[in-house]
Amino acid sequence: GNSVTQMEGPVTLSEEAFLTINCTYTATGYPSLFWYVQYPGEGLQLLLKATKADDKGSNKGFEATYRKETTSFHLEKGSVQVSDSAVYFCALSMNNNAGNMLTFGGGTRLMVKP
Amino acid sequence: DGGITQSPKYLFRKEGQNVTLSCEQNLNHDAMYWYRQDPGQGLRLIYYSQIVNDFQKGDIAEGYSVSREKKESFPLTVTSAQKNPTAFYLCASSKPRTGNTGELFFGEGSRLTVL
Repeated sequence: GNSVTQMEGPVTLSEEAFLTINCTYTATGYPSLFWYVQYPGEGLQLLLKATKADDKGSNKGFEATYRKETTSFHLEKGSVQVSDSAVYFCALSMNNNAGNMLTFGGGTRLMVKP
Repeated sequence: DGGITQSPKYLFRKEGQNVTLSCEQNLNHDAMYWYRQDPGQGLRLIYYSQIVNDFQKGDIAEGYSVSREKKESFPLTVTSAQKNPTAFYLCASSKPRTGNTGELFFGEGSRLTVL
């Protein structure tokens, strides 16, 4: 079956540090890949997505590149802010006849200190 | 503005009681989903519905029930058979499959605590 593995947290960084959150996936076929962000006490918001190999998704200074050869979709940001503190989820969707159900990774908590 | 509304945001329940969590969307989406999130963990799919009057079990459907009588609404009932119901519940919806890249739109969540 499909699965998503992301690095365990928490990840603690100082403001303006470089961020990488690793995400790898297992899927039969070619999934769409997503990063969602969850702020404390809230639902999930789509951060960025990529639908085919070598696509780069980007939003709010975050970016991730769909790497088919390494089955990865690592999230990066060059300079984090305190307001980026949240839980980040990597996910995939196969868009098959079963619908658009997402398979989520376990989430990575990011804490940014001033 | 269009979106997904979950209510209540916080709910307390005594053991042995059934509770129903509401989820309403005005995005004209066909498919709706319920996920459960436990502290420090990812999301697990409880039930999903791709069309009105039809729904399917997800990975952890035991102890839960749903209905889909209207396109806009997908309520989740947590029954007394659910052995560990304390969790954060998230409702989501998605556009029709054709031309869709698979994105889900989430509500703000409902936190259920069993006393």
